[in-house]
Amino acid sequence: LAKTTQPISMDSYEGQEVNITCSHNNIATNDYITWYQQFPSQGPRFIIQGYKTKVTNEVASLFIPADRKSSTLSLPRVSLSDTAVYYCLVGDKGTYKYIFGTGTRLKVLA
Amino acid sequence: SQTIHQWPATLVQPVGSPLSLECTVEGTSNPNLYWYRQAAGRGLQLLFYSVGIGQISSEVPQNLSASRPQDRQFILSSKKLLLSDSGFYLCAWSSTLLKGNEKLFFGSGTQLSVL
Repeated sequence: LAKTTQPISMDSYEGQEVNITCSHNNIATNDYITWYQQFPSQGPRFIIQGYKTKVTNEVASLFIPADRKSSTLSLPRVSLSDTAVYYCLVGDKGTYKYIFGTGTRLKVLA
Repeated sequence: SQTIHQWPATLVQPVGSPLSLECTVEGTSNPNLYWYRQAAGRGLQLLFYSVGIGQISSEVPQNLSASRPQDRQFILSSKKLLLSDSGFYLCAWSSTLLKGNEKLFFGSGTQLSVL
């Protein structure tokens, strides 16, 4: 079973901020939360990773509450090229096994 | 820097034929290696993962098998392909330095069509 739950799809308009939330109720103490972006016919690529509170890099921010049972990926001012599937990923009870959930299909409209 | 190579990019095979997909990683040692499959319009299904030479964990019972003959080589095989084996196959690697914050790095994938 997947360890994460996300909305199946989201639509947004160019220039808007997009927030995608992921639920991971059974996250292990040592596990980080990692988000990936996947375009059609390509492998997923790493976007951002965090353990708690807030992490920001040049493409996104990641917000993680104190209980770490969820996380929110924030994409500022999306463009058409941000149309993709976004996955959040956590390990399986601290193992090296990574099972992807359904992901969130983001469609950015002009 | 680390790189991952996966080939072929596309493959068309008849039902009942064998399969061999190869993945190699460069620039790192003792990586964790993974095979995922993605059916059209669907999510990523973990097939196999390996934490060392000869150590293979299977996640889904099927007619596929995996082998790791060398530290940075991961092979996905089948003796007889089924129509349901069609899909996009992705190899990935992660480091083993610290459990918990590994990142997965994916190859470019193989689009397999079984006809």
